[in-house]
Amino acid sequence: GAVVSQHPSRVICKSGTSVKIECRSLDFQATTMFWYRQFPKQSLMLMATSNEGSKATYEQGVEKDKFLINHASLTLSTLTVTSAHPEDSSFYICSASSGARTDTQYFGPGTRLTVL
Amino acid sequence: EDKVVQSPLSLVVHEGDTVTLNCSYEVTNFRSLLWYKQEKKAPTFLFMLTSSGIEKKSGRLSSILDKKELSSILNITATQTGDSAIYLCAVDSNSGYALNFGKGTSLLVTP
Repeated sequence: GAVVSQHPSRVICKSGTSVKIECRSLDFQATTMFWYRQFPKQSLMLMATSNEGSKATYEQGVEKDKFLINHASLTLSTLTVTSAHPEDSSFYICSASSGARTDTQYFGPGTRLTVL
Repeated sequence: EDKVVQSPLSLVVHEGDTVTLNCSYEVTNFRSLLWYKQEKKAPTFLFMLTSSGIEKKSGRLSSILDKKELSSILNITATQTGDSAIYLCAVDSNSGYALNFGKGTSLLVTP
């Protein structure tokens, strides 16, 4: 149980385009989803926390107009990187929590974004 | 199907005890195994292991990978209450395009 999937697993795009990444909880209802960004050999950096049906809460320094997060249902959250630039190239990981224990997060496999 | 299994799921110890956390994996195209400590928000990177038998150390924490047994252990000596956290193991596979996380071990260190 508690499986989280992400799609796509890898995406390469041109500078200036927008990219949407999906995060799905496959067998449980995720009241809270988290979006992380990871740089090589570094900790995961929390970008934002999203609760189903409400606006995402962004961490300091994360541009909410650039990284659009939508959590429209209890099983799906999306992260859209708008007008992507090469410096946005990274590994984006989502995790989901059922909220029963908010410190238990189930992680997706991540999405590798490369912006040319 | 790739999978990463951590054990135990939870653990309660007294300050000063030594703990060993386990992570076993079955993945294709193994690249590395990573350990994280998660307290409040984002997990904190601890170790990345790529070679079998080489111990990595950071203070009271150490970790080693056994590629033959497809497993890794994370040791914490002389535990402190500040070590209380969820410890996550993740395996990097498929040429770095995916991370497979285990479900974590919840460690509670009591005074």
